[in-house]
Amino acid sequence: ETAVFQTPNYHVTQVGNEVSFNCKQTLGHDTMYWYKQDSKKLLKIMFSYNNKQLIVNETVPRRFSPQSSDKAHLNLRIKSVEPEDSAVYLCASSSDWGQNTLYFGAGTRLSVL
Amino acid sequence: GDSVTQTEGPVTVSESESLIINCTYSATSIAYPNLFWYVRYPGEGLQLLLKVITAGQKGSSRGFEATYNKETTSFHLQKASVQESDSAVYYCALGDRGRIFFGDGTQLVVKP
Repeated sequence: ETAVFQTPNYHVTQVGNEVSFNCKQTLGHDTMYWYKQDSKKLLKIMFSYNNKQLIVNETVPRRFSPQSSDKAHLNLRIKSVEPEDSAVYLCASSSDWGQNTLYFGAGTRLSVL
Repeated sequence: GDSVTQTEGPVTVSESESLIINCTYSATSIAYPNLFWYVRYPGEGLQLLLKVITAGQKGSSRGFEATYNKETTSFHLQKASVQESDSAVYYCALGDRGRIFFGDGTQLVVKP
């Protein structure tokens, strides 16, 4: 049963454009995450929010910025995409910051031409 | 930093054979991280398979088992008899205070 919803499923864009991905969870969780999965299927954490507050900000280019309006929503904006941004972006949530058991969305596949 | 290393795939086994996927971890900033196995079945999203948060304990789910071994910093995934429906990509992961670090994933192919 899906409880972490991501939109869009796919997005194709050109270098230099701005894109924005949405994520919503209906689990009532306090913590949300963005992960990047590259072409080799490697999963790397990008950001983590707890109750709308940024708590983890791994080393990612400054063109990436997370946005949280409430604890059920965590969006990801990429200001000026680069070819290396082509990947699957996975949103996840957990019941609290220390729990670590993640519930993932289906992902948003970004292709940068 | 924290990291996870697991068996490089693909791993191919025949149905009813036993399976082990190795996982070792390195946790530099926390003594007892939470340890996980996540799985992605074909066409589905990534989901938790099992989790162990106490060193020395064993977790199990769907016939799979993994024991948290602090001495060898390992968390190997085992199953006595695999089924074709176990074909998937398996990720070992380490949890450290809001961060989860994933291994590179191991694709398991079970032949009928």
